[in-house]
Amino acid sequence: QKEVEQNSGPLSVPEGAIASLNCTYSDRGSQSFFWYRQYSGKSPELIMFIYSNGDKEDGRFTAQLNKASQYVSLLIRDSQPSDSATYLCAVAQSGGSYIPTFGRGTSLIVHP
Amino acid sequence: EPEVTQTPSHQVTQMGQEVILRCVPISNHLYFYWYRQILGQKVEFLVSFYNNEISEKSEIFDDQFSVERPDGSNFTLKIRSTKLEDSAMYFCASSPSGADSYEQYFGPGTRLTVT
Repeated sequence: QKEVEQNSGPLSVPEGAIASLNCTYSDRGSQSFFWYRQYSGKSPELIMFIYSNGDKEDGRFTAQLNKASQYVSLLIRDSQPSDSATYLCAVAQSGGSYIPTFGRGTSLIVHP
Repeated sequence: EPEVTQTPSHQVTQMGQEVILRCVPISNHLYFYWYRQILGQKVEFLVSFYNNEISEKSEIFDDQFSVERPDGSNFTLKIRSTKLEDSAMYFCASSPSGADSYEQYFGPGTRLTVT
């Protein structure tokens, strides 16, 4: 059973701070890693994807991947109240299947 | 910016009835997916579709479910005889390619309520 684990939170940070969201996965052969943002009652919105070890930056978001530790994280700089949402980590299975397994998500609250 | 669309946004049906959920994927995408999310739970994969056939399906996708691409734009999920436990948000997603680009873009979802 391929597992993707996230702390359910809530993670509460003040406006302007860095929010750090973490995810671990069980399948060592995983190839593709995604972060989705999901507002309550809405669909997942893709915000970052990363395929190689290291960091990938896009605006205020940085995804970090460490395949040796089976760990992927998302940093949100200069957090805004509008960033308050649940962040889903998704990891694509290996062996030719690109279907991602989703974690339960971490609830982020950015307070003014 | 192109986006995945889904209709209806909310469907209420009685147990045992058939429902069809509709999706229009992003036009140049090649891979299509259905997911469901029961309230408060994880997003769960149901089925993927490529080149007019199912490429993968989960154990949730049993004989009660079917998918179809009836024309060049629509992608449908049919549930033949709904059960109470089918109540969930159903999301359609599409991806440009399964080979080089694995990112999936989700539609707004259909909330299915089975009474």
